[in-house]
Amino acid sequence: NAGVTQTPKFRVLKTGQSMTLLCAQDMNHEYMYWYRQDPGMGLRLIHYSVGEGTTAKGEVPDGYNVSRLKKQNFLLGLESAAPSQTSVYFCASSDQGAYGYTFGSGTRLTVV
Amino acid sequence: GQQVMQIPQYQHVQEGEDFTTYCNSSTTLSNIQWYKQRPGGHPVFLIQLVKSGEVKKQKRLTFQFGEAKKNSSLHITATQTTDVGTYFCAGPGYGKLTFGQGTILTVHP
Repeated sequence: NAGVTQTPKFRVLKTGQSMTLLCAQDMNHEYMYWYRQDPGMGLRLIHYSVGEGTTAKGEVPDGYNVSRLKKQNFLLGLESAAPSQTSVYFCASSDQGAYGYTFGSGTRLTVV
Repeated sequence: GQQVMQIPQYQHVQEGEDFTTYCNSSTTLSNIQWYKQRPGGHPVFLIQLVKSGEVKKQKRLTFQFGEAKKNSSLHITATQTTDVGTYFCAGPGYGKLTFGQGTILTVHP
């Protein structure tokens, strides 16, 4: 049972490049989330999904897009990366909404 | 919107000393959750408190939910080097959690 798997684990992008971060969970959870973590800022919610085919904006959605075409996958896209998007990105899932999140191991993204 | 604040941001202790982190919400919470993140790792769910004034213990960790359900604390008795990491509190709202900034605990042997 893998839980929540994030790929890739590390990535370096040049300003203006695009990329997609993949989050996959095998727990049949309805709810999935993307957070970013920056020093001194805690975990800030980017986008989230309350079920297959749904997405919603979080606290810091600008510059990101998401898709939840399959229940087990939640994709986070950066269309034109900026240095301000240098961060550690965590995906999480839950079967009861805002309770007992299971986090992935994170993606460390650097935009130069 | 909902805000969750944690203090202190950093805490350095000698091994064997106690440690406490405090969490305050701008709104009344239905529950409060605590997570631990080891250095270089990801947050891991520790516990949820639901009732006003609730106190729960996990070995040397004591969690408390305030009477007004707007604040919470985590106390670690006799810290060990394995306690190092960042401790987050989180409050629920509309299907998602709002996390505090976290308290980074360093334990010196």
